[in-house]
Amino acid sequence: EVHLVESGGGLVQPGGSLRLSCAASGFTFSNYSMTWVRQAPGKGLEWVSYISSSGRTIYYSDSVKGRFTFSRDNAENSLYLQMSGLRAEDTALYYCARDRGVGYRSGFDYWGQGTLVTVSS
Amino acid sequence: SYVLTQPPSVSVAPGQTARITCGGNNIGSKSVHWYQQKPGQAPVLVVYDDSDRPSGIPERFSGSNSGNTATLTISRVEAGDEADYYCQVWGSGSDHPVVFGGGTKLTVL
Repeated sequence: EVHLVESGGGLVQPGGSLRLSCAASGFTFSNYSMTWVRQAPGKGLEWVSYISSSGRTIYYSDSVKGRFTFSRDNAENSLYLQMSGLRAEDTALYYCARDRGVGYRSGFDYWGQGTLVTVSS
Repeated sequence: SYVLTQPPSVSVAPGQTARITCGGNNIGSKSVHWYQQKPGQAPVLVVYDDSDRPSGIPERFSGSNSGNTATLTISRVEAGDEADYYCQVWGSGSDHPVVFGGGTKLTVL
């Protein structure tokens, strides 16, 4: 059974840093592209970042470009989102999700339960 | 960047058919994916690649996509279908490859 478990969220001051992790199990992790999606309280889904199965291709939304770094360790079946220069508007529940397409881009078929990041002084 | 437009809300009586639209420039040329999100839960993929259903999703959920509008259709709506629904596409280029619609709140009357 596929499982995605996020961790690392918490309360951080503006300008601070945080590292999120996503542990994957139940599938051949190295075959799948992955993504981070966030959801501010009471708001809709916002795509944050994408990483290809090999980790060689990475995209970021304009709102996090230059501040967040997405990486993966295929040997450890893990994803990492290093966040720095955090702002109040980064406050959200952060989900990792799997792109169901192998070799092509499709929908996100498995999601974790999310980890909450709160940026506040 | 590419923009997806959804109505904020749709209401339907139980047993009727709900249609949730997702508008975008020439969206018919893209593959559209739909997610259901209930309060306090992670999103669930209900339709992918315009009209395919993941295993475990009832046949009542279907999708179509043509021209500038994609549509998620939920037949024989049940109380348990009340949720937020989001469409999503892969945009062109690397600038903003993943785009979500703003979401539609489906209310079952």
